Amino acid sequence: NAGVMQNPRHLVRRRGQEARLRCSPMKGHSHVYWYRQLPEEGLKFMVYLQKENIIDESGMPKERFSAEFPKEGPSILRIQQVVRGDSAAYFCASSPPVGVGDEAFFGQGTRLTVV
Amino acid sequence: AQRVTQPEKLLSVFKGAPVELKCNYSYSGSPELFWYVQYSRQRLQLLLRHISRESIKGFTADLNKGETSFHLKKPFAQEEDSAMYYCALSTHAGNNRKLIWGLGTSLAVNP
Repeated sequence: NAGVMQNPRHLVRRRGQEARLRCSPMKGHSHVYWYRQLPEEGLKFMVYLQKENIIDESGMPKERFSAEFPKEGPSILRIQQVVRGDSAAYFCASSPPVGVGDEAFFGQGTRLTVV
Repeated sequence: AQRVTQPEKLLSVFKGAPVELKCNYSYSGSPELFWYVQYSRQRLQLLLRHISRESIKGFTADLNKGETSFHLKKPFAQEEDSAMYYCALSTHAGNNRKLIWGLGTSLAVNP
């Protein structure tokens, strides 16, 4: 089991471009979480997805950000028309179906830099 | 409001000294608490969880519901313990579950 895989590890985009961040969960995990870590700040929850469903997107900015977790393939976090303030580390985590004390396994993150 | 507070951004100790990383939480339900660690250039990984009541790498953490705390302790710090430590609270609402994170404490263990 290769663990949670995120790609790319580093992504540079010019203002106004689109950023697509990919996350492949661990085998057997059907739950995916996306977190953002702004410089000098802690991790902030963005969105929680199960296959083909968004369960909780209370941490997602209302505009320009979207996430999906299709039946086949990785979860995608999409940021349209990026701005400098979107520069951050974006972490994905996956877990098995909900249970007490379940551990979330993290990817190594994607560092997005908007220039 | 659900909140996790780690009051110390940076903690610096000498090798062999005791270390305590503080974590306080605010949550109206029954809390599940975790400590995650991120070593340099590595991914976040689970260090320990309160329901396991285990000791990992010499670290322990006890949930104190009266003080709403889950402090991480180790009696004798080692240089390889230098890392970023995050306290996290798991919240449940039906089948929904998410982690609320503290801002993290950077632990530096000096030789």
